[in-house]
Amino acid sequence: GNSVTQMEGPVTLSEEAFLTINCTYTATGYPSLFWYVQYPGEGLQLLLKATKADDKGSNKGFEATYRKETTSFHLEKGSVQVSDSAVYFCALAFGQGAQKLVFGQGTRLTINP
Amino acid sequence: DAGVIQSPRHEVTEMGQEVTLRCKPISGHDYLFWYRQTMMRGLELLIYFNNNVPIDDSGMPEDRFSAKMPNASFSTLKIQPSEPRDSAVYFCASSQGGGSTEAFFGQGTRLTVV
Repeated sequence: GNSVTQMEGPVTLSEEAFLTINCTYTATGYPSLFWYVQYPGEGLQLLLKATKADDKGSNKGFEATYRKETTSFHLEKGSVQVSDSAVYFCALAFGQGAQKLVFGQGTRLTINP
Repeated sequence: DAGVIQSPRHEVTEMGQEVTLRCKPISGHDYLFWYRQTMMRGLELLIYFNNNVPIDDSGMPEDRFSAKMPNASFSTLKIQPSEPRDSAVYFCASSQGGGSTEAFFGQGTRLTVV
């Protein structure tokens, strides 16, 4: 079946540190890949996405590259801020018009000043 | 648009009672999803609708759970009877379709069954 595996949290970093949250997927075919972010007390928001191999999604200083060879979509940011503290979810979905998102288990990130 | 609107934000009920969660999707969105989030199981898709028609309800845990979408602007998720293990945050989300897969989430309903 289709699934997403994220690095286990929680992750705690100091402000301005480099961030990597690993995500790998298992899928029959070539899905679109997503990172969603959930701030405390809120629903999930789309952070970035990539729809085909070698695409790079980016937003708010975050980046992730769709790697077909390693079936990965790792999230990176060069210098994190306290306001980046949240839970991050990697997800996949299939095909144009396909809407069913499969989420990873989430990684809680805490940034200390 | 105000986004996806869920009500209530918090619900505390006694075991055995009926619980109804409500959702208003973003106007013009063709897809509506119900998710459940718990510490143990993470984020699980319960059911989703396309143009008010249920497409996949394989995630609905038991017959105690039911969902309806009587029109394009309203959906309900009902649990009858409720049990303590149903305690979770329930999210509704909607998306536009037509090749766009971005889902917009409501703020969730935190359900506590005592």
